[in-house]
Amino acid sequence: NAGVTQTPKFQVLKTGQSMTLQCAQDMNHNSMYWYRQDPGMGLRLIYYSASEGTTDKGEVPNGYNVSRLNKREFSLRLESAAPSQTSVYFCASSTEWGNEQFFGPGTRLTVL
Amino acid sequence: GQQLNQSPQSMFIQEGEDVSMNCTSSSIFNTWLWYKQDPGEGPVLLIALYKAGELTSNGRLTAQFGITRKDSFLNISASIPSDVGIYFCAGFTSGTYKYIFGTGTRLKVLA
Repeated sequence: NAGVTQTPKFQVLKTGQSMTLQCAQDMNHNSMYWYRQDPGMGLRLIYYSASEGTTDKGEVPNGYNVSRLNKREFSLRLESAAPSQTSVYFCASSTEWGNEQFFGPGTRLTVL
Repeated sequence: GQQLNQSPQSMFIQEGEDVSMNCTSSSIFNTWLWYKQDPGEGPVLLIALYKAGELTSNGRLTAQFGITRKDSFLNISASIPSDVGIYFCAGFTSGTYKYIFGTGTRLKVLA
């Protein structure tokens, strides 16, 4: 089992560019999450998907969109990147809400 | 966003010493999770707790779900250099959709 995988590992964008961060899990988990981690701010939830076919906003959804493509895959899209979106992005999954949550290795994004 | 109070924020210890850290919240949780994060990596789940009073071990690590359900503790016995990293707690309340994360304890072990 690879667990939770994320691509790319690093990315540099210019302001206004768009990109999609990919996430996949092979643990047959129902729930998937996207977080961003900034120094001194801890982990903040961007979007989550409680189950296949559903997505909902978290604490900091502005500037992002998500797609739960199937049970395994949950992507995060930045339509028009801004410097404030420079961060480390983590995808996570769990069997259900409130159960053990497993994280991917992260995508380090810099927006110039 | 909402965060848990985690203490200490950082600590230096000698190799072989025991380490204790804790998280406290104003809210009641149904689940407590403890993670370790190494530089440049994602958080790795160490221990999950689901019941008030529960005490669970994973090797040299032991965590407890506080009786009040508002706190949790993590102990590391006989620390070794590879214990260096940031330790996070996370809490979850039934009926909500999100895990609340602590601010982290940065552990440095002196050989």
